[in-house]
Amino acid sequence: GQQVMQIPQYQHVQEGEDFTTYCNSSTTLSNIQWYKQRPGGHPVFLIQLVKSGEVKKQKRLTFQFGEAKKNSSLHITATQTTDVGTYFCAGRGGATNKLIFGTGTLLAVQP
Amino acid sequence: DTAVSQTPKYLVTQMGNDKSIKCEQNLGHDTMYWYKQDSKKFLKIMFSYNNKELIINETVPNRFSPKSPDKAHLNLHINSLELGDSAVYFCASSGTGRYGYTFGSGTRLTVV
Repeated sequence: GQQVMQIPQYQHVQEGEDFTTYCNSSTTLSNIQWYKQRPGGHPVFLIQLVKSGEVKKQKRLTFQFGEAKKNSSLHITATQTTDVGTYFCAGRGGATNKLIFGTGTLLAVQP
Repeated sequence: DTAVSQTPKYLVTQMGNDKSIKCEQNLGHDTMYWYKQDSKKFLKIMFSYNNKELIINETVPNRFSPKSPDKAHLNLHINSLELGDSAVYFCASSGTGRYGYTFGSGTRLTVV
């Protein structure tokens, strides 16, 4: 079945450093979404990308959808302690068009 | 005003018991979901209902039975609870043409 993997599983950075998480799907996606889950919290929708090669920015966050629509990335510039949490990509594709969540990347930020 | 609310927030119960989790959304969304998040944080879809009709039913033991009395509510009943059922269960909803899912705050189920 469709799988969505993310790397790294865990990243520890010093405040002010940049961070990137990568998302790879086993199948071509119609769109990809990104969510953030704070420790002890619930996933919160950040953004959706639809077009091949699309790039979107939200303040210090940059989201990219690959040309082949099978991968995506989230880059955070100059991390802050408020960025702490698990970042999930979620891809929609395959025969059923279900939204499949990636394995997640846990970001820890040291002040 | 909570958009997607789940009750209870915590549930501790013994093996073999039957329990229910309730979910309500006030967003006017057509589709509701149950997700299970295990200790490794994997989020796995269990069920999805669109306008009270079951549209996704993943490979979930039949001890789990969802019920949607109307499009604003989706409940989850679990029979004969097992240790492996311990997890956080999230309810979510989404609207037609809208993008992201709105998640409830989760129910942490612990089976002892």
